[in-house]
Amino acid sequence: AQSVAQPEDQVNVAEGNPLTVKCTYSVSGNPYLFWYVQYPNRGLQFLLKYITGDNLVKGSYGFEAEFNKSQTSFHLKKPSALVSDSALYFCAVRDDAGNNRKLIWGLGTSLAVNP
Amino acid sequence: DGGITQSPKYLFRKEGQNVTLSCEQNLNHDAMYWYRQDPGQGLRLIYYSQIVNDFQKGDIAEGYSVSREKKESFPLTVTSAQKNPTAFYLCASTDLWGQPQHFGDGTRLSIL
Repeated sequence: AQSVAQPEDQVNVAEGNPLTVKCTYSVSGNPYLFWYVQYPNRGLQFLLKYITGDNLVKGSYGFEAEFNKSQTSFHLKKPSALVSDSALYFCAVRDDAGNNRKLIWGLGTSLAVNP
Repeated sequence: DGGITQSPKYLFRKEGQNVTLSCEQNLNHDAMYWYRQDPGQGLRLIYYSQIVNDFQKGDIAEGYSVSREKKESFPLTVTSAQKNPTAFYLCASTDLWGQPQHFGDGTRLSIL
C-alpha cells in the first residue's frame, strides 16, 4: 500500500540553526513528492516538489529537500531557521493507483523555531 | 491574481441542518478537491472531481455531498447525517498530473 510517514509530530530548533523535517514514503512506481507549509488558520502553501532529476530540490523561502531513493526518504531542510518558519509542514506523494490525481498526505510536523 | 476562494471563513451549523461551503477557482484547473482537517490527523480527502459533471468519493465521504456543474466551482454540502462536522475544511485544485495542488484559505465549521 502506498503511504507517507512523518515520524516526528514536532521539531524544535533554535533560530539560526539548520532544520530538518523528515518524510519517508512507500509507492509502487516512481515517486512524485511534495512539501507544503501551513500557517495557522490558512490553507497549505506549496514549497517544493521532486519528480525526476537532481536529488537535491530547491524551493520557496530558502527550503530544500533531499530525495534518497535507497532510504525512500524526502527530508525537508533549511540551512538557517527563522522564527517565521514556525508552522505545520506536510509531506505528500502522488497516489499511483489509477488515473485519479490524488495525493497521499503525511500527518504533518509542527516546527517551532525558538528565538 | 488567480487563486482559490473559499467562503465563508467561519460557519456555524445547527442540529439537523445542512450547510454548504463554497469553493471557487479562477486558475482554469480541471481537478478540484475537498479535504477535512482535524488536529493531529492531517488532511483527509472527502470528495474530488477531475472534470465537470463528474466526481468521486474520497476516504471520508459519508455525510457529505458535492456538485461540479461548472469548472470553476465545487461546493461541498455538509448534511445532517455528518454527526461530527466540526473541522477545518480545505478546497484545492490542480491541472496537470504531477503538478502541485493549490489551496484556498479554508472554512472553519462549528456546531451551535
